[in-house]
Amino acid sequence: NAGVTQTPKFRVLKTGQSMTLLCAQDMNHEYMYWYRQDPGMGLRLIHYSVGEGTTAKGEVPDGYNVSRLKKQNFLLGLESAAPSQTSVYFCASADGYEQYFGPGTRLTVT
Amino acid sequence: SQQGEEDPQALSIQEGENATMNCSYKTSINNLQWYRQNSGRGLVHLILIRSNEREKHSGRLRVTLDTSKKSSSLLITASRAADTASYFCATDLPSGGYNKLIFGAGTRLAVHP
Repeated sequence: NAGVTQTPKFRVLKTGQSMTLLCAQDMNHEYMYWYRQDPGMGLRLIHYSVGEGTTAKGEVPDGYNVSRLKKQNFLLGLESAAPSQTSVYFCASADGYEQYFGPGTRLTVT
Repeated sequence: SQQGEEDPQALSIQEGENATMNCSYKTSINNLQWYRQNSGRGLVHLILIRSNEREKHSGRLRVTLDTSKKSSSLLITASRAADTASYFCATDLPSGGYNKLIFGAGTRLAVHP
Protein backbone atom coordinates (compact mmCIF):
# COMPACT_ATOMS: atom_id res chain seq x y z
CA ASN A 1 0.00 0.00 0.00
CA ALA A 2 1.22 3.49 -0.89
CA GLY A 3 -0.77 5.07 1.95
CA VAL A 4 -1.36 8.77 1.35
CA THR A 5 0.30 10.39 -1.66
CA GLN A 6 0.40 14.02 -2.70
CA THR A 7 1.21 15.65 -6.02
CA PRO A 8 3.08 17.77 -6.77
CA LYS A 9 5.88 17.79 -4.18
CA PHE A 10 6.98 21.34 -4.98
CA ARG A 11 5.42 24.23 -6.87
CA VAL A 12 6.15 27.89 -7.44
CA LEU A 13 3.27 30.13 -8.47
CA LYS A 14 2.99 33.77 -9.36
CA THR A 15 0.41 35.87 -7.55
CA GLY A 16 -3.00 35.42 -9.17
CA GLN A 17 -2.28 32.03 -10.73
CA SER A 18 -4.38 29.00 -9.91
CA MET A 19 -3.48 25.41 -9.17
CA THR A 20 -4.85 22.17 -7.78
CA LEU A 21 -3.14 19.90 -5.27
CA LEU A 22 -4.06 16.24 -5.44
CA CYS A 23 -4.24 13.87 -2.49
CA ALA A 24 -4.86 10.17 -2.96
CA GLN A 25 -5.23 7.39 -0.38
CA ASP A 26 -5.50 3.66 -0.90
CA MET A 27 -6.70 2.68 2.57
CA ASN A 28 -10.43 3.13 1.87
CA HIS A 29 -10.66 5.81 4.56
CA GLU A 30 -13.83 7.85 4.90
CA TYR A 31 -12.28 10.99 6.34
CA MET A 32 -9.79 13.20 4.53
CA TYR A 33 -8.21 16.50 5.52
CA TRP A 34 -6.12 19.33 4.14
CA TYR A 35 -3.78 21.22 6.47
CA ARG A 36 -1.23 23.95 6.06
CA GLN A 37 1.94 24.22 8.13
CA ASP A 38 3.76 27.50 8.59
CA PRO A 39 7.06 28.10 10.44
CA GLY A 40 6.67 28.10 14.21
CA MET A 41 3.07 26.97 14.03
CA GLY A 42 1.33 23.68 14.18
CA LEU A 43 -0.87 22.35 11.43
CA ARG A 44 -4.03 24.31 10.72
CA LEU A 45 -7.05 22.65 9.15
CA ILE A 46 -8.16 24.16 5.84
CA HIS A 47 -10.99 21.87 4.73
CA TYR A 48 -12.05 18.33 5.45
CA SER A 49 -14.37 15.64 4.13
CA VAL A 50 -16.30 12.97 6.01
CA GLY A 51 -17.10 10.94 2.90
CA GLU A 52 -17.34 10.90 -0.87
CA GLY A 53 -19.21 13.94 -2.15
CA THR A 54 -18.97 15.86 1.13
CA THR A 55 -16.73 18.76 2.15
CA ALA A 56 -16.65 21.19 5.06
CA LYS A 57 -14.67 24.23 6.16
CA GLY A 58 -11.91 24.00 8.71
CA GLU A 59 -10.08 26.68 10.64
CA VAL A 60 -8.54 28.61 7.71
CA PRO A 61 -10.68 27.98 4.58
CA ASP A 62 -10.50 31.41 2.90
CA GLY A 63 -8.86 31.37 -0.53
CA TYR A 64 -9.19 27.59 -0.94
CA ASN A 65 -11.75 25.22 -2.42
CA VAL A 66 -11.93 21.44 -2.25
CA SER A 67 -13.68 18.56 -3.94
CA ARG A 68 -14.14 14.87 -3.08
CA LEU A 69 -15.67 13.33 -6.19
CA LYS A 70 -14.10 9.93 -5.49
CA LYS A 71 -13.58 8.38 -2.08
CA GLN A 72 -9.85 7.94 -2.60
CA ASN A 73 -9.12 11.47 -3.83
CA PHE A 74 -9.31 14.88 -2.17
CA LEU A 75 -8.41 17.93 -4.24
CA LEU A 76 -7.38 21.33 -2.89
CA GLY A 77 -7.70 24.29 -5.24
CA LEU A 78 -6.26 27.78 -5.11
CA GLU A 79 -8.21 29.97 -7.54
CA SER A 80 -6.04 33.10 -7.25
CA ALA A 81 -2.84 32.46 -5.33
CA ALA A 82 -1.54 35.06 -2.86
CA PRO A 83 1.87 35.29 -1.15
CA SER A 84 0.12 34.54 2.18
CA GLN A 85 -0.60 31.07 0.82
CA THR A 86 3.10 30.22 0.71
CA SER A 87 3.23 27.20 2.99
CA VAL A 88 3.66 23.46 3.22
CA TYR A 89 0.40 21.64 2.60
CA PHE A 90 -0.37 18.25 4.10
CA CYS A 91 -3.16 15.89 3.31
CA ALA A 92 -4.32 13.25 5.78
CA SER A 93 -6.87 10.47 5.90
CA ALA A 94 -8.49 8.51 8.71
CA ASP A 95 -11.08 5.87 9.46
CA GLY A 96 -10.82 6.28 13.22
CA TYR A 97 -8.91 8.52 15.56
CA GLU A 98 -5.44 8.11 14.04
CA GLN A 99 -4.69 10.25 11.01
CA TYR A 100 -2.29 9.17 8.25
CA PHE A 101 -0.37 11.95 6.57
CA GLY A 102 1.07 12.41 3.12
CA PRO A 103 4.60 13.72 2.53
CA GLY A 104 3.52 17.30 1.88
CA THR A 105 3.57 19.84 -0.95
CA ARG A 106 5.82 22.87 -0.60
CA LEU A 107 4.14 25.82 -2.33
CA THR A 108 5.77 29.19 -2.87
CA VAL A 109 3.76 32.13 -4.20
CA THR A 110 5.84 35.05 -5.50
CA SER B 1 -6.26 30.19 18.21
CA GLN B 2 -4.32 27.04 19.07
CA GLN B 3 -5.84 24.53 21.42
CA GLY B 4 -2.60 22.77 22.30
CA GLU B 5 0.67 24.39 23.21
CA GLU B 6 3.87 22.44 23.67
CA ASP B 7 6.66 23.23 26.07
CA PRO B 8 9.58 23.55 25.59
CA GLN B 9 9.72 24.83 22.02
CA ALA B 10 13.11 23.18 21.58
CA LEU B 11 15.02 20.53 23.51
CA SER B 12 18.60 19.34 23.03
CA ILE B 13 19.87 16.22 24.80
CA GLN B 14 22.51 13.51 24.55
CA GLU B 15 21.81 9.96 23.39
CA GLY B 16 20.68 7.79 26.26
CA GLU B 17 19.02 10.62 28.17
CA ASN B 18 15.28 10.93 28.63
CA ALA B 19 13.26 13.63 26.87
CA THR B 20 10.09 15.10 28.31
CA MET B 21 7.71 17.31 26.37
CA ASN B 22 4.59 18.92 27.74
CA CYS B 23 1.33 19.95 26.15
CA SER B 24 -1.39 22.18 27.57
CA TYR B 25 -4.83 22.66 26.10
CA LYS B 26 -7.85 24.83 26.77
CA THR B 27 -11.12 22.94 26.35
CA SER B 28 -12.58 19.50 26.99
CA ILE B 29 -11.28 16.72 24.78
CA ASN B 30 -12.24 13.23 23.60
CA ASN B 31 -8.62 12.17 23.37
CA LEU B 32 -5.14 13.57 22.94
CA GLN B 33 -2.66 12.29 20.40
CA TRP B 34 1.07 12.73 19.87
CA TYR B 35 2.65 12.84 16.43
CA ARG B 36 6.25 12.93 15.24
CA GLN B 37 7.52 14.81 12.19
CA ASN B 38 10.95 14.18 10.77
CA SER B 39 12.45 17.05 8.81
CA GLY B 40 10.78 17.45 5.43
CA ARG B 41 8.29 14.64 6.04
CA GLY B 42 4.65 14.20 6.98
CA LEU B 43 3.46 13.53 10.51
CA VAL B 44 3.42 10.03 11.96
CA HIS B 45 1.04 8.99 14.72
CA LEU B 46 2.79 7.86 17.91
CA ILE B 47 0.21 7.32 20.61
CA LEU B 48 -3.33 8.19 21.64
CA ILE B 49 -4.61 8.64 25.18
CA ARG B 50 -8.33 8.87 25.87
CA SER B 51 -9.83 11.42 28.24
CA ASN B 52 -10.60 8.71 30.83
CA GLU B 53 -7.02 7.38 30.84
CA ARG B 54 -4.19 8.77 32.96
CA GLU B 55 -1.13 7.00 31.55
CA LYS B 56 -0.23 4.96 28.51
CA HIS B 57 2.94 3.23 27.33
CA SER B 58 4.21 2.23 23.91
CA GLY B 59 7.76 0.94 23.71
CA ARG B 60 10.04 3.75 24.91
CA LEU B 61 7.16 6.23 24.98
CA ARG B 62 5.12 7.11 28.04
CA VAL B 63 2.23 9.55 27.87
CA THR B 64 0.34 11.00 30.81
CA LEU B 65 -2.86 12.99 30.82
CA ASP B 66 -4.18 15.24 33.59
CA THR B 67 -7.63 16.46 32.57
CA SER B 68 -7.99 18.58 35.71
CA LYS B 69 -4.92 20.59 34.67
CA LYS B 70 -5.65 20.20 30.95
CA SER B 71 -2.14 18.98 30.30
CA SER B 72 -0.27 16.01 28.90
CA SER B 73 3.35 14.94 28.81
CA LEU B 74 5.32 12.73 26.46
CA LEU B 75 8.38 10.99 27.83
CA ILE B 76 10.88 9.32 25.51
CA THR B 77 13.26 7.11 27.48
CA ALA B 78 16.81 6.18 26.47
CA SER B 79 16.72 8.53 23.52
CA ARG B 80 18.50 7.79 20.24
CA ALA B 81 19.78 10.04 17.47
CA ALA B 82 16.91 8.70 15.32
CA ASP B 83 14.45 10.32 17.76
CA THR B 84 15.53 13.74 16.46
CA ALA B 85 12.31 15.25 15.12
CA SER B 86 9.50 17.65 15.96
CA TYR B 87 6.78 16.34 18.24
CA PHE B 88 3.22 17.63 18.18
CA CYS B 89 0.30 17.11 20.48
CA ALA B 90 -3.15 17.14 18.92
CA THR B 91 -6.46 17.31 20.73
CA ASP B 92 -9.61 15.66 19.45
CA LEU B 93 -12.58 17.77 20.50
CA PRO B 94 -16.07 16.44 21.24
CA SER B 95 -17.36 17.66 17.87
CA GLY B 96 -19.91 15.00 17.08
CA GLY B 97 -18.96 12.30 14.63
CA TYR B 98 -15.66 13.08 12.99
CA ASN B 99 -12.04 13.29 13.99
CA LYS B 100 -11.14 16.98 13.92
CA LEU B 101 -7.69 17.51 15.45
CA ILE B 102 -6.25 20.76 16.75
CA PHE B 103 -2.44 20.75 16.68
CA GLY B 104 0.01 22.61 18.86
CA ALA B 105 3.11 24.36 17.53
CA GLY B 106 5.41 21.46 18.43
CA THR B 107 8.62 20.74 20.30
CA ARG B 108 11.83 20.36 18.26
CA LEU B 109 13.92 17.60 19.79
CA ALA B 110 17.61 17.19 18.93
CA VAL B 111 19.37 14.07 20.21
CA HIS B 112 23.15 14.24 19.90
CA PRO B 113 25.31 11.09 19.58
